[in-house]
This record gives sequence, structure tokens and C-alpha cells, in this order.
Amino acid sequence: DVKVTQSSRYLVKRTGEKVFLECVQDMDHENMFWYRQDPGLGLRLIYFSYDVKMKEKGDIPEGYSVSREKKERFSLILESASTNQTSMYLCASQTVPTYGYTFGSGTRLTVV
Amino acid sequence: AQSVTQLDSQVPVFEEAPVELRCNYSSSVSVYLFWYVQYPNQGLQLLLKYLSGSTLVESINGFEAEFNKSQTSFHLRKPSVHISDTAEYFCAVSELSDYKLSFGAGTTVTVRA
Repeated sequence: DVKVTQSSRYLVKRTGEKVFLECVQDMDHENMFWYRQDPGLGLRLIYFSYDVKMKEKGDIPEGYSVSREKKERFSLILESASTNQTSMYLCASQTVPTYGYTFGSGTRLTVV
Repeated sequence: AQSVTQLDSQVPVFEEAPVELRCNYSSSVSVYLFWYVQYPNQGLQLLLKYLSGSTLVESINGFEAEFNKSQTSFHLRKPSVHISDTAEYFCAVSELSDYKLSFGAGTTVTVRA
């Protein structure tokens, strides 16, 4: 089975901190995605990547950046964490669209 | 761009009763449709998908969904639920030319004994 691993299950950070969320997949998938999940809003796309060093903005990229230096790793960066970035963050990978996504187990980030 | 509406945010249901979760989408082109399930404190797992062909698709654990192009719907059903089906369910759509999925807001199913 494809595995998508998010390095932290729970994180608590202070306002203004720079935060790194890491995601690693083990099946050589080209496409990787970062979503945030909030009650009543479902999943909203932050950034995605089709290949190493490529990145595209999703629907809500403000306050975030990403890095994909290696094919298996896709990092989400909160440049200066704010309380409205408290959320569940989900990473996903995909080989081709007909397979859908494989998700990691999520990182619940609290910014205080 | 595509969008997804899940018509029910909460669905309480008794064990062994049937359940239906409603999903409507909007898109100007052909789409792929997916249902994902999220059990408490876990990530999302693919439940079933429609790509083409037969409009009725089934999962290994008794769920089924029917694609209705004229009504732009992809409702999920199960004839008899178990306690273990308690979870949040997400409908998602992608256009054939796109890799990205758009998700609905989710429907929380709570199964009671």
C-alpha cells in the first residue's frame, strides 16, 4: 500500500513562529497536495505540486508557501503563524487522476 | 471550475437502518467523482469512485453510489449501517483534464444502537 506520512500528529506553535509541516510518500507519485480541513468548510486546497521544484497555488495560498526539493517530500511552510491558521492539515499524493488521492493521517496545528 | 455541495451536514441513523448521503456537483465538463470516508482521528480513505461506464458503483463494505448526469448528483447509500460506519463522509469531484479534487463540506454520520 502507498503510504503518506506526515511527521507530526499534533503541533502547538506560537503566533509569529515559522512552522514547517512535512509530508513524505513512498510510492514515487508525481502529484502532491496540501489541504486544510475546517468544520463546515470541508477540505480547501492550499498548494499542490506536479513535479520536483514545481508548485502551484491552490484556493487559499495566502500565508503559506511550499517546498518540493525531492519527489517524495512536500513541505508546507507557515511563514508567520497566526491564530486563524489553527486547523487540521492534510497531505495527499496521487499518481494519475483516476486513482484519486492517498492521504496522510493529518497534522492538527494549534497556533496560540 | 467545479464545485461540490453536500446537502446534509449531519445524519443520525439507527443501526441496521438505511442511510443516504446526498452530493451534487457543478461542472461544465466531464468529471470523475469520489466518496471518501474519515474515521475519527484519521486521514481520509477512498470509499468508491465513478470514472465512466456503469453509473452504479460499489465499495467492498456495502456502500454504493449512483452517478446521475442529468441531475449532476452522486448520492451515497447503504441499505443497513453498522456502528462502525460512524464517520465523516466527503464527496469530491475532479474534471477529466485536471488533477485536483474539489471537496464538499462533509456529512457526519452517527450510527446509534
